[in-house]
Amino acid sequence: NAGVMQNPRHLVRRRGQEARLRCSPMKGHSHVYWYRQLPEEGLKFMVYLQKENIIDESGMPKERFSAEFPKEGPSILRIQQVVRGDSAAYFCASSPRERGGRALDTQYFGPGTRLTVL
Amino acid sequence: AQKVTQAQTEISVVEKEDVTLDCVYETRDTTYYLFWYKQPPSGELVFLIRRNSFDEQNEISGRYSWNFQKSTSSFNFTITASQVVDSAVYFCALSESYNTDKLIFGTGTRLQVFP
Repeated sequence: NAGVMQNPRHLVRRRGQEARLRCSPMKGHSHVYWYRQLPEEGLKFMVYLQKENIIDESGMPKERFSAEFPKEGPSILRIQQVVRGDSAAYFCASSPRERGGRALDTQYFGPGTRLTVL
Repeated sequence: AQKVTQAQTEISVVEKEDVTLDCVYETRDTTYYLFWYKQPPSGELVFLIRRNSFDEQNEISGRYSWNFQKSTSSFNFTITASQVVDSAVYFCALSESYNTDKLIFGTGTRLQVFP
C-alpha cells in the first residue's frame, strides 16, 4: 500500500545541466500534480497531468520546463539548462479523481525532490 | 482571484498550550474546498483535512479541531494540548470545483512547540 513515490530525494546539478524528477502515483491514481516550493515559501502549482495528457500547465515556466505522464511508467518533470533559481523542493501529488467526475478527491503528496543547483 | 492568507508566519508555544493557526481565503466560486497540510522537519507533506464549502460544521479529530466560517472566509485550525511532535509548518490550501483541482497554498505557519 505504497504512497506517492518520488526519486531522487536529493539531486545536485551544475548550472546548464538537465534535471529529471520522477513521480510514481499511488496505486489506482491516474492524476498527477507537480508543485514547487521555493525556500521559505509555500507551494506553487506547476502542472496537472493525466495519463498521456497535460490538463493544466498554467503554472509551468514558459521555457526549460516540461512534464509528461506516459501510459507506462512514472511522471517526469524535466528541467533543461538549470539555473540557480531552480533550486527548490519539487513535490508530486496524486489523486484518483475520474475524468468528468464531480467529486474532488484529496491530493496525496510524495516526499519531494530537493534540487540544488550549484 | 483565489488567494489564501496565513498571516502568522511563526508561532512558539510551550507544551500543553492550545494554539490556533489562522487561515483566510478569497474565492469567487460558491463551491470550493479547503485543506490543511502539515510539513514536519523531515519535509514531506501530510494531509490533515479536507472540507467542502457546503459543510460548515466544525470538525474534531483527537487534539485537532477546525473552525470553518464562510461569513468571514476563514478556516482556522486549533491544536489542543500541543506536543513537541506538533512542531512543523502548517499549510492551508484552497481548490475550486470548476478548476482543475490545483491547490492554492498559503505561505504557511511555522509552529514550534517547546518542552
